[in-house]
Amino acid sequence: KNEVEQSPQNLTAQEGEFITINCSYSVGISALHWLQQHPGGGIVSLFMLSSGKKKHGRLIATINIQEKHSSLHITASHPRDSAVYICAVKLNSNYKLTFGKGTLLTVNP
Amino acid sequence: EAGVAQSPRYKIIEKRQSVAFWCNPISGHATLYWYQQILGQGPKLLIQFQNNGVVDDSQLPKDRFSAERLKGVDSTLKIQPAKLEDSAVYLCASSLDHPGYTDTQYFGPGTRLTVL
Repeated sequence: KNEVEQSPQNLTAQEGEFITINCSYSVGISALHWLQQHPGGGIVSLFMLSSGKKKHGRLIATINIQEKHSSLHITASHPRDSAVYICAVKLNSNYKLTFGKGTLLTVNP
Repeated sequence: EAGVAQSPRYKIIEKRQSVAFWCNPISGHATLYWYQQILGQGPKLLIQFQNNGVVDDSQLPKDRFSAERLKGVDSTLKIQPAKLEDSAVYLCASSLDHPGYTDTQYFGPGTRLTVL
């Protein structure tokens, strides 16, 4: 079983819809990252969280440490949001980032 | 601020050939990472450098992969000889990493390797 599980694996939405991507992890962590990867491979770091909630533009990330769960929300989704969204955690036991497999989001106009 | 630079962006080789990738991290970032990302999976850490020293290379297939960061800035990752299963995107990342502080990793655009 992967230490980091994301759901859904694939998500298709219409422009303007509210999007939620979930991430669950099974071990103690010191931080959780949400990353965005566009076709071609480049990765952009969206958020780094260790508690609570962060907001940047139309993106909101929340984390519940007790439940070992984080969500990434996109409000008023747009076709340019189409990408793979990856959850990654920094384990308490070491300094490594452990990655989920990603969620492929497609936003149709 | 310039981001993490990688080259080449794409490479196609035949199995058993050699290939090298280059990474220039963000200026001042002490920590440099090489990841392998196979299609449909999350990135897997191959090697982590702190300045010019190796911190972790436990998942690096050392019979065919090698990496160096001689002056603590640029880094190269080499595969010799390549196998079909090495086809992947190779991502380089860097972070500032103050002691005791978990810093954000900044990723380069990646090199997409296809082994035929």
